[in-house]
Amino acid sequence: SQQGEEDPQALSIQEGENATMNCSYKTSINNLQWYRQNSGRGLVHLILIRSNEREKHSGRLRVTLDTSKKSSSLLITASRAADTASYFCATDESGGYQKVTFGTGTKLQVIP
Amino acid sequence: SQTIHQWPATLVQPVGSPLSLECTVEGTSNPNLYWYRQAAGRGLQLLFYSVGIGQISSEVPQNLSASRPQDRQFILSSKKLLLSDSGFYLCACGLGTTNEKLFFGSGTQLSVL
Repeated sequence: SQQGEEDPQALSIQEGENATMNCSYKTSINNLQWYRQNSGRGLVHLILIRSNEREKHSGRLRVTLDTSKKSSSLLITASRAADTASYFCATDESGGYQKVTFGTGTKLQVIP
Repeated sequence: SQTIHQWPATLVQPVGSPLSLECTVEGTSNPNLYWYRQAAGRGLQLLFYSVGIGQISSEVPQNLSASRPQDRQFILSSKKLLLSDSGFYLCACGLGTTNEKLFFGSGTQLSVL
């Protein structure tokens, strides 16, 4: 079963604006990861945040994690048309790192 | 760096036919291996994962099975495909004990008609 749910399901913004996506999950975790998928392709890893971290940055990406609410957010700043893709969060389960499940995804469209 | 080879890219099969999808990994040893299925416009459903040769964990009861005959080979099979088996199948590889990043193959689009 899927661990996470992303919201919104779809998001359309103008180039230059910021995009925020949220992820909620159900069980305790070790790590939470965000991935990007271009249509019809495999997923590409963007960033990982550990359960003892609250915020992490990588370039134009900012991820937050609230373990008390079992939720995470991904912020893409100054969006570009090339950011158009689907974004997924993925979690393991704190009993072990091997089982990795994905959320339902947010489809982001950045309009030039 | 590791490379995931997954083939074919597209497959059209009749209902009731068998299936064999193969995934091989280069550039690493003893990886964690995964099969996911993605319905059109939806999230990824974890089907199977494996932490070693012959070790398979099944997440969804269905008519699919998986095998890991070699360290870097993961095979997804079915004896008789159903219409509901259609989807985009993705193989992934995770490294180390903490699995901090999954690397994905390019996927197989399976249409069962």
